[in-house]
Amino acid sequence: GAGVSQSPSNKVTEKGKDVELRCDPISGHTALYWYRQSLGQGLEFLIYFQGNSAPDKSGLPSDRFSAERTGGSVSTLTIQRTQQEDSAVYLCASSFGGGGGGVSSYNEQFFGPGTRLTVL
Amino acid sequence: DAKTTQPPSMDCAEGRAANLPCNHSTISGNEYVYWYRQIHSQGPQYIIHGLKNNETNEMASLIITEDRKSSTLILPHATLRDTAVYYCIVRVANYGGSQGNLIFGKGTKLSVKP
Repeated sequence: GAGVSQSPSNKVTEKGKDVELRCDPISGHTALYWYRQSLGQGLEFLIYFQGNSAPDKSGLPSDRFSAERTGGSVSTLTIQRTQQEDSAVYLCASSFGGGGGGVSSYNEQFFGPGTRLTVL
Repeated sequence: DAKTTQPPSMDCAEGRAANLPCNHSTISGNEYVYWYRQIHSQGPQYIIHGLKNNETNEMASLIITEDRKSSTLILPHATLRDTAVYYCIVRVANYGGSQGNLIFGKGTKLSVKP
């Protein structure tokens, strides 16, 4: 079946502009994660959704960053007033689970190809 | 989550076994060891995971020491397409909320050479 898809694959924008990045998770996956990867760096967690709720927004670097998820499916990451340091690859992942309580089998995260954001 | 330590880079000859080590000396009893890899310009890909027993799947084998303080990912017959950054991650088995996200270190850059 289809994997996680992200759009656009590349985005070049000018400093100060707003951008929206889209993630389409695998159908049926209730958990959705956003990460970003700056050049030569490891992945940095941004935000987690369980269904349409975001119980953990601790990774968002500033209040210019926000995300939403609708219908338990598509998610949009919005960056307002972009800065050059926002340039990175933004990766989305989804998995079956994410709910708490008891020992559960590991729910593998499936990653999308990412959106490469360049802020000039 | 416990921290992991991996060598920054390794080379391996094509067709030979690639053995990638990972130290996780502060791992807790309810934490699993997971391995992901990231091929250039792609998103990370799950490889394998384990708790305390050795595990094998179609991609790799995972050997975990008895004290669980270290592990080794084995690619039995490395190919050029296995060139990637390999990440060792430890995480609790039962998760919810923020515990579900993966904490990536810098990983090991494996270069498979002809």
